[in-house]
Amino acid sequence: KQEVTQIPAALSVPEGENLVLNCSFTDSAIYNLQWFRQDPGKGLTSLLLIQSSQREQTSGRLNASLDKSSGRSTLYIAASQPGDSATYLCAVRSQGGSEKLVFGKGTKLTVNP
Amino acid sequence: NAGVTQTPKFRVLKTGQSMTLLCAQDMNHEYMYWYRQDPGMGLRLIHYSVGEGTTAKGEVPDGYNVSRLKKQNFLLGLESAAPSQTSVYFCASSDTYSNQPQHFGDGTRLSIL
Repeated sequence: KQEVTQIPAALSVPEGENLVLNCSFTDSAIYNLQWFRQDPGKGLTSLLLIQSSQREQTSGRLNASLDKSSGRSTLYIAASQPGDSATYLCAVRSQGGSEKLVFGKGTKLTVNP
Repeated sequence: NAGVTQTPKFRVLKTGQSMTLLCAQDMNHEYMYWYRQDPGMGLRLIHYSVGEGTTAKGEVPDGYNVSRLKKQNFLLGLESAAPSQTSVYFCASSDTYSNQPQHFGDGTRLSIL
């Protein structure tokens, strides 16, 4: 059974700092890994999707990496801003039929002005 | 650009009452999913569908039923609501292909008294 873990559960940084969020998964048989952002009381917004054959994806100040063999992914946020404050969720799409996502519990990020 | 639309956004029920949550997507996606999100538990899959007329159980299906009579709609029913079903419910959809992201609705906040 696939399990996804995100560490830390919460992170507080000053504005302008570069930061890394971590995600680990137990079964390397995945199609892809997706990073989401969730603002309080809102739905999930997809940030980046990395295919199992890829090593990284970039969008603006965000860079996500994937090391499938070790079961790890990182989300790098450059020059953080208060508007980046949100909960970041990692989810993997496992192989084997339903193509459902298995989610981590998220990292709550606070960027202080 | 509607994407995934959930109805209603908020609802309060009494124990034992029934209700149906509606999810509609306009992206012609084959796959649709219902998740619930609870504090400390993350998102958990309730039921999903891989095409019109099909449904399958996810991780936490008990107490819920679903139907996919039309490709664009996925309904989640609570026949006899219980306080343990107080949660935020998210619907998602995705294309058949495994390299496509899941798109989420804004959620339905359901309280069972």
